Order: sequence, then C-alpha cells, then structure tokens
Amino acid sequence: QVQLVQSGAEVKKPGASVKVSCKASGYIFSDYYMQWVRQAPGQGLEWMGRITPRTGDTDFAQKFQGRVTMTRDTSINTIYMDLRSLRYDDTAVYYCVRDGTSDTPYAFDVWGPGTMVTVSS
Amino acid sequence: VLTQSPGTLSLSPGERATLSCRASQSVGSTYLAWCQQKPGQAPRLLIYGAYWRPTGIPDRFSGSGSGTDFTLTISRLEPEDFAVYYCQLYIDSPPRWTFGQGTKVEIK
Repeated sequence: QVQLVQSGAEVKKPGASVKVSCKASGYIFSDYYMQWVRQAPGQGLEWMGRITPRTGDTDFAQKFQGRVTMTRDTSINTIYMDLRSLRYDDTAVYYCVRDGTSDTPYAFDVWGPGTMVTVSS
Repeated sequence: VLTQSPGTLSLSPGERATLSCRASQSVGSTYLAWCQQKPGQAPRLLIYGAYWRPTGIPDRFSGSGSGTDFTLTISRLEPEDFAVYYCQLYIDSPPRWTFGQGTKVEIK
C-alpha cells in the first residue's frame, strides 16, 4: 500500500535550521509530485511548496522563498524539506503529501503522519 | 482566497451537513478539492475536481459547485464524520495551492 514515513519530531532554537525527511513506498516514486504542507498548533493548513521527484524541480509559496529548500533522493524514494532561519511561528506539524497528479489532479491524495517541529529557546 | 462558511456547524448524527467554500474570483472546478481532518490525525482527501470521490470515500460525501461557489454535502452524518473540513484550491502561474480556513462539524 502507498505509505509516507516521516522523520521524527524536532526541537530547534530560533535562527537554526531543520531538515525533515519523507520516505515513500508502495508506488512509483517518480510518477507523482510531492508537496509539503504545515499546520501551526490550532490553526489551518498552509501550503509550503512542491517538488517533482523525476527532475528535482521545485515551486514554493512566496512566503517561504529564500528560506526553504526541497530536495529528493530517487535511489531511496525520499524527499527532504529544509527550513532555515527558524522563528517561533515556524512551530508546526509539517506534512509530506503525495500530489495525486494524474489520479486525483491538483489534489493531495496521500498524507504522511506529520513531523512536529518546535522552535523554542 | 478561499472563504469557508460557517466556521462551526453543530448537527446531530443522521442530519445533513452543507459546507460552503467561496473563491474570491471564478476558478476552474478541476482545481477545487475538499479534505477532512480529525483531531490528532493528518488530513484525508474527500473530493477532488469539485465533485469526484477518490476510491474508498463513502458516497454520503458529495461535492458540487462552479465558478466562485462550491459546496461539500454530507447526506447523513455518521459519528466518524465530526471533524474539520478544508477546501483547497490550485492556482496557476506560478503554481501554488491555498486552503480555506476550515469548517468544524461538531456534535450538537
């Protein structure tokens, strides 16, 4: 079955960086876009960006431009999200999400369990 | 921008739920999706392309609408349907996605 496994919770100080990983299984990794969405405590969902596993191409929300990097390692079906210059308001659950691509166009059909990132001094 | 209403919907099991999502300008129905999120869980896709259900989603969930106004209807609420629902929109050039602020469906 399709599965997304994310790395564990992180606690970081303001100004630091965090790198979250997401390993995909159960489908052809290069056939689907992958997305990152975050959710601050008690808040709604916020789209961060997308990566095309086949090419490594990325698109980011303007809010995160210059502060986020998304990469992939096709040899191990894993994507990474690196967020720099962390602020207190970056405290959130970060979800790795499969974009349905040709199955469910423009919609996110499989969500990872989320990775809690806490920014605290 | 997507605006969902109401913010909270208080209903009893067995009742019909009607959730609204309004876009600030006309959008293609292909680009509108709905997802459900229960406390402590990741969201789950319910509807894509405004009215298509992915495999495994019960048919009591239905989507409709076009232009700027879209609706998610739950025909008869089951106990497991009490959750927060988000609409989601794809915007082209540059590609990006946005979510509504959510509608909480709670037990009355």
